[in-house]
Amino acid sequence: GENVEQHPSTLSVQEGDSAVIKCTYSDSASNYFPWYKQELGKGPQLIIDIRSNVGEKKDQRIAVTLNKTAKHFSLHITETQPEDSAVYFCAASISGGGFKTIFGAGTRLFVKA
Amino acid sequence: NAGVTQTPKFRILKIGQSMTLQCTQDMNHNYMYWYRQDPGMGLKLIYYSVGAGITDKGEVPNGYNVSRSTTEDFPLRLELAAPSQTSVYFCASSYVGQGDQPQHFGDGTRLSIL
Repeated sequence: GENVEQHPSTLSVQEGDSAVIKCTYSDSASNYFPWYKQELGKGPQLIIDIRSNVGEKKDQRIAVTLNKTAKHFSLHITETQPEDSAVYFCAASISGGGFKTIFGAGTRLFVKA
Repeated sequence: NAGVTQTPKFRILKIGQSMTLQCTQDMNHNYMYWYRQDPGMGLKLIYYSVGAGITDKGEVPNGYNVSRSTTEDFPLRLELAAPSQTSVYFCASSYVGQGDQPQHFGDGTRLSIL
């Protein structure tokens, strides 16, 4: 069935460094790719998303890239800060089928001050 | 806008007991979802609803039931609690129309079955 693989499961960086999280999806019909941040004791919150008609999207220190041919997409966080420490989830879904959203297993990011 | 509200935040049940996890949203979203999140794992879809009166099974529906009598509310029912249902449960909602929109999550219900 459909699957989203996410790597790494844990990532530790020094404050100010960049962090990259990578995801691979299996269903070629997927065309919407959101990224969520989950802080301790809270539900996941959307931080950025990308649709299949674009290859890259940027919002301040956060960017997402998408390679449809290879079926993988990545989250890039630059100039990391301690408050970026959280669990990050990627997801893939098919437009019009919200219930077909498949989540990655998550990446726990630690930013050391 | 409160977004998605879940109650209770924490609950301890004994094996065999039943309970209902409440979820309400005030964004007029048509789609609603229930997920469970086990430690170190991603989100597994339990049930979803595409509108009032319509529900369907997700990936892990066994041991749960849902109903959707209104657009706002989507309660999750555990009939005979089992230790395997110890988890954190998240309710979410989204507007699904011509293009996907992100899901909005509540802060979760942490459930322990002892």
